[in-house]
Amino acid sequence: GAGVSQSPRYKVAKRGQDVALRCDPISGHVSLFWYQQALGQGPEFLTYFQNEAQLDKSGLPSDRFFAERPEGSVSTLKIQRTQQEDSAVYLCASSYLATSGANVLTFGAGSRLTVL
Amino acid sequence: TQLLEQSPQFLSIQEGENLTVYCNSSSVFSSLQWYRQEPGEGPVLLVTVVTGGEVKKLKRLTFQFGDARKDSSLHITAAQPGDTGLYLCAGFLEYGNKLVFGAGTILRVKS
Repeated sequence: GAGVSQSPRYKVAKRGQDVALRCDPISGHVSLFWYQQALGQGPEFLTYFQNEAQLDKSGLPSDRFFAERPEGSVSTLKIQRTQQEDSAVYLCASSYLATSGANVLTFGAGSRLTVL
Repeated sequence: TQLLEQSPQFLSIQEGENLTVYCNSSSVFSSLQWYRQEPGEGPVLLVTVVTGGEVKKLKRLTFQFGDARKDSSLHITAAQPGDTGLYLCAGFLEYGNKLVFGAGTILRVKS
């Protein structure tokens, strides 16, 4: 597709359930990022992939959060034993390197997770 | 502690007014970006500034990167209701590929 696709767009989970959020990046984009965004706030970095390699996972808030990108394309963010504080919008972005040397990110519309 | 301090957090102005949003840090960035986000959508890139002192214009929007590459500003001239949204600054630190965001400025332009 032309853009970054995320699914599901909305997910309601009961506390303690596991959830999986999917990201389909733009074809050919090497880098992929996951962010967590609370309402009215800026996105908080979670993790970053270059191809299938997870180069930075310093933003994952706990060991309940796990991300993978096994074939260097589609990525999945998994949250185990969800807690209410996990309620947020999870944004995925893929990027290419511009001639200026800066990464140009394209974001998906996000997956809104509500934990009851 | 937020690596990028963005101000103001909220701005409500009348159509036709000018405004400036600031983004400050004690860290040096290899590049800095400004995004705009509408409700229910992901952030959309407006501009990337790479060189210290760089100024870029996008219609009524003017972006400036500080000489030391630690701060940036976004100036909007003659704001319109269509400018309403969440404006985010974000920067790539000098080393690494992590893009860090400011907390955002919610702009509301009233007609």
